[in-house]
Amino acid sequence: DQQVKQNSPSLSVQEGRISILNCDYTNSMFDYFLWYKKYPAEGPTFLISISSIKDKNEDGRFTVFLNKSAKHLSLHIVPSQPGDSAVYFCAASEASGTYKYIFGTGTRLKVLA
Amino acid sequence: NAGVTQTPKFQVLKTGQSMTLQCAQDMNHEYMSWYRQDPGMGLRLIHYSVGAGITDQGEVPNGYNVSRSTTEDFPLRLLSAAPSQTSVYFCASLRGTEAFFGQGTRLTVV
Repeated sequence: DQQVKQNSPSLSVQEGRISILNCDYTNSMFDYFLWYKKYPAEGPTFLISISSIKDKNEDGRFTVFLNKSAKHLSLHIVPSQPGDSAVYFCAASEASGTYKYIFGTGTRLKVLA
Repeated sequence: NAGVTQTPKFQVLKTGQSMTLQCAQDMNHEYMSWYRQDPGMGLRLIHYSVGAGITDQGEVPNGYNVSRSTTEDFPLRLLSAAPSQTSVYFCASLRGTEAFFGQGTRLTVV
């Protein structure tokens, strides 16, 4: 049973427009969420995170929104750039503090120049 | 500052062979973990360690062993490789809640 779901395997966006990547989760015990970006042949790199006590966190062009009632989070990239083309994973962990992150299956973003 | 270093980058094994995937970090992080990435499955946690001498199982531990004798090293052992273990393996160490990943080991079991 997939506790963290990214239902869109791929997304294409024009350069300069907004990219919105979505993630849904089923475990109500998750209290910390992260987004990672992964380029081919490289390990994932941390992008942005959000705690369940917040509903929004912003870092430059990247904003993560959390809707706890809907068990949904989204990553907004504005404006999108060709260098943002990568696979994006969302991840979640419970309040246990064990750092056992559960990852989604990833969304491949392609930003078209 | 090397971060998290994984060796080898590529490996082909025959069914039944054993091998150890190496992972080393130079950031003095207590928490380390191993993930495997398979198409359509995302990253799945195999084993993790919260400090030297302490390890525990993740989502998919079967067929893998780990040990943590030092803070720096966290090797992953495959005792008898199976084709189902063909995957890309990532080691990570954590600072707080942020994970730093190695570049991965692509393992093929034939």
